[in-house]
Amino acid sequence: EAGVTQFPSHSVIEKGQTVTLRCDPISGHDNLYWYRRVMGKEIKFLLHFVKESKQDESGMPNNRFLAERTGGTYSTLKVQPAELEDSGVYFCASSQDSGESYNEQFFGPGTRLTVL
Amino acid sequence: SQQGEEDPQALSIQEGENATMNCSYKTSINNLQWYRQNSGRGLVHLILIRSNEREKHSGRLRVTLDTSKKSSSLLITASRAADTASYFCATTDSWGKLQFGAGTQVVVTP
Repeated sequence: EAGVTQFPSHSVIEKGQTVTLRCDPISGHDNLYWYRRVMGKEIKFLLHFVKESKQDESGMPNNRFLAERTGGTYSTLKVQPAELEDSGVYFCASSQDSGESYNEQFFGPGTRLTVL
Repeated sequence: SQQGEEDPQALSIQEGENATMNCSYKTSINNLQWYRQNSGRGLVHLILIRSNEREKHSGRLRVTLDTSKKSSSLLITASRAADTASYFCATTDSWGKLQFGAGTQVVVTP
């Protein structure tokens, strides 16, 4: 079974440009999460989808970030316009809703974004 | 706000030695997890310990949890070069959102 995949693996853009990151979760996983690790700091939560709905977007840094999950399958995270401080590694994770108190999240390899 | 804080920030050891890292958290938890990130790769779930457990083992990994001190430790025994990675502790809220610490960078030299 394929794991969580992310595209692209690396992206280098100039300040002011737009970048769209994509995440394909494990098939059948209703929960999809985006996280970000900036410059060796802690990994921070960005938002959480349950199917196509945003359950929690409290971690989105500002309105330059837009996440979508049309159809409840893959998700995109668009940064427009990108700023220098947006550089970092963006992780996506998915989990199924098993009804248990804890559902293991499976992470993708991340997208390394560099804004020059 | 940062939930988990790892200590030390960096650790350099030789193959065969043990590596111990600690994590402190701020709020009450249902469980605590440890993850590993190898350079250029995603996060890999290592082990979960529930709030009613004090110690858990998985292969060469040993995790302890002290809820009275709001702290956890991860011990890697007989380290190998392949254990070189960043290690993170994380807690979850009721919706599964993970809250990570800054991580401990472990370097194991042959």
